[in-house]
Amino acid sequence: GAVVSQHPSRVICKSGTSVKIECRSLDFQATTMFWYRQFPKQSLMLMATSNEGSKATYEQGVEKDKFLINHASLTLSTLTVTSAHPEDSSFYICSATWDRDVYGYTFGSGTRLTVV
Amino acid sequence: AQSVTQLGSHVSVSEGALVLLRCNYSSSVPPYLFWYVQYPNQGLQLLLKYTTGATLVKGINGFEAEFKKSETSFHLTKPSAHMSDAAEYFCAVRGVGGGNKLTFGTGTQLKVEL
Repeated sequence: GAVVSQHPSRVICKSGTSVKIECRSLDFQATTMFWYRQFPKQSLMLMATSNEGSKATYEQGVEKDKFLINHASLTLSTLTVTSAHPEDSSFYICSATWDRDVYGYTFGSGTRLTVV
Repeated sequence: AQSVTQLGSHVSVSEGALVLLRCNYSSSVPPYLFWYVQYPNQGLQLLLKYTTGATLVKGINGFEAEFKKSETSFHLTKPSAHMSDAAEYFCAVRGVGGGNKLTFGTGTQLKVEL
């Protein structure tokens, strides 16, 4: 089956630094990748959608300069949280779809970001 | 635009009892509906999905859901709850008009008691 690997699973960083989260599709080519943010005990909020080789489409209210998304290949997308602050602490989850099953959304295992 | 509403943020059942998690959707086009399960500090795992065809959808771990257009519902059921079913459950909708984005409900925390 389709597998999405997300790393790191946990990261603690100092306020003002940047953190990169990777999302890889291991056995398929991900035509579209999605990045979500999830606050404790809450639902997933879509941050942005990225297609390979093109700029990400950000949801309203998401700062594109703070949350940099790169989808340089069909198997890798990255989310960089720039100049992180404590309010950026959250659980970030990626998801991917592929052409053969456009309804087959596969999720990564998530990254717990803590900014201190 | 499409949306989903999950009634009941917390549901508690006894082990062996019926599980019923409610989901109602709003969509101006035929919806594609999903149920996912999330265990603590993990990503989402697909339980089942409805795209077209048979309205009763069977998923993994004994779960099933029925798409009822007249009621705009897609409730998730399992005949007999197991302790391992304790988790957060999310209903999601993908509408044709909204591209391929998923819109999630607010989630239902299922507790299974002995």
